[in-house]
Amino acid sequence: TAGITQAPTSQILAAGRSMTLRCTQDMRHNAMYWYRQDLGLGLRLIHYSNTAGTTGKGEVPDGYSVSRANTDDFPLTLASAVPSQTSVYFCASSLDGPSPLHFGNGTRLTVT
Amino acid sequence: GQNIDQPTEMTATEGAIVQINCTYQTSGFNGLFWYQQHAGEAPTFLSYNVLDGLEEKGRFSSFLSRSKGYSYLLLKELQMKDSASYLCASMDSNYQLIWGAGTKLIIKP
Repeated sequence: TAGITQAPTSQILAAGRSMTLRCTQDMRHNAMYWYRQDLGLGLRLIHYSNTAGTTGKGEVPDGYSVSRANTDDFPLTLASAVPSQTSVYFCASSLDGPSPLHFGNGTRLTVT
Repeated sequence: GQNIDQPTEMTATEGAIVQINCTYQTSGFNGLFWYQQHAGEAPTFLSYNVLDGLEEKGRFSSFLSRSKGYSYLLLKELQMKDSASYLCASMDSNYQLIWGAGTKLIIKP
């Protein structure tokens, strides 16, 4: 079944450690996004990529980095995790422009 | 600034109709999206409006007034499975989505 896959599903991470959240889509979508979702707040954009080889900063990019080496993969890296990065992280993709977003199932990250 | 407002929580009865309102203010406008999110799951796309008026899709309808910066999602013949959060999002001139915090809809038997 075509779609977007995130891994891991959940993770507990010690503060100061690094981690990469994986995201892969097989829909040949041009655009990919990383969001975090915290209780009482809307989805907040961390980084995005409009096409392979390009990335951009979203609303809350500090402490995170991304790469887009090919169309399918869009990993999100936390270089040195802090407790405020405890959140649910969603990867999403869209064809382009005003197309609906397709979301992965999310990664629940707890930084202790 | 850019802003999306929607009620935090609403309660409705099974079989009834409920309207969830959303007001938006974004830099430029490329459409208004509604998503459904069940607890512990990912958001899923419900509707997209870019022109004024009502779009009907089964039990769900979405309305847009661009001049008023206003949209609503109308859910008819409510079912227990409609208990979820409903997210309103406006797309700005850079095709980036600005998200509301979501409306948690509680359906009572």
